[in-house]
Amino acid sequence: QVQLKESGPGLVQPSQTLSLTCTVSGFSLTSNSVSWVRQPPGKGLEWMGAIWSGGSTDYNSALKSRLSISRDTSKSQVFLKMNSLQTEDTAIYFCTSDYFDYWGQGVMVTVSS
Amino acid sequence: DIQMTQSPSVLSASVGDRVTLSCKASQNINKNLDWYQQKLGEAPKLLIYFTNNLQTGIPSRFSGSGSGTDYTLTISSLQPEDVATYFCFQYNSGYTFGAGTKLELK
Repeated sequence: QVQLKESGPGLVQPSQTLSLTCTVSGFSLTSNSVSWVRQPPGKGLEWMGAIWSGGSTDYNSALKSRLSISRDTSKSQVFLKMNSLQTEDTAIYFCTSDYFDYWGQGVMVTVSS
Repeated sequence: DIQMTQSPSVLSASVGDRVTLSCKASQNINKNLDWYQQKLGEAPKLLIYFTNNLQTGIPSRFSGSGSGTDYTLTISSLQPEDVATYFCFQYNSGYTFGAGTKLELK
């Protein structure tokens, strides 16, 4: 059974770095990709980036300069790091599988001092 | 970047109504479009993939159609549990979600 679960701090200070973990089960990261998608409160969805089965990455051009996605296949974990956070980065952050058919529950991240 | 425009932004309909939601791409996306349903406090759920393919477990009252730049999600007979926000999503070039259509009961 495919499952994804996001974890990370609920509160980050402005200008700091966000670090999130997506722990997956039921599939292999060496055979499937994982994407990160975020949703500001009351707003729409934004694809942030992905790490492909071979380990390469793609990023939303609007976030590319601040975003890094990596993985540890032995732990079935995918990591998101985004620096220089601002209040507009306040959002629910989701990880999702290959064809966006399985999603984690999401983790709320608030950027505030 | 490809822009996705959904209309209407809010739709009020009655139980049993046939409901049509629209999504327009800024350029041809070759049917590379999915539809998602998101209920309050939940993650998005995949309803339709590649324009007109029903995801496993999704009721048959949901259907999708379209080509080129214009796409449609239809609910043949609205049910109370269909109250949600619906997003289209293109993956022809990059990945872009529409802003969503909020579906309410009249």
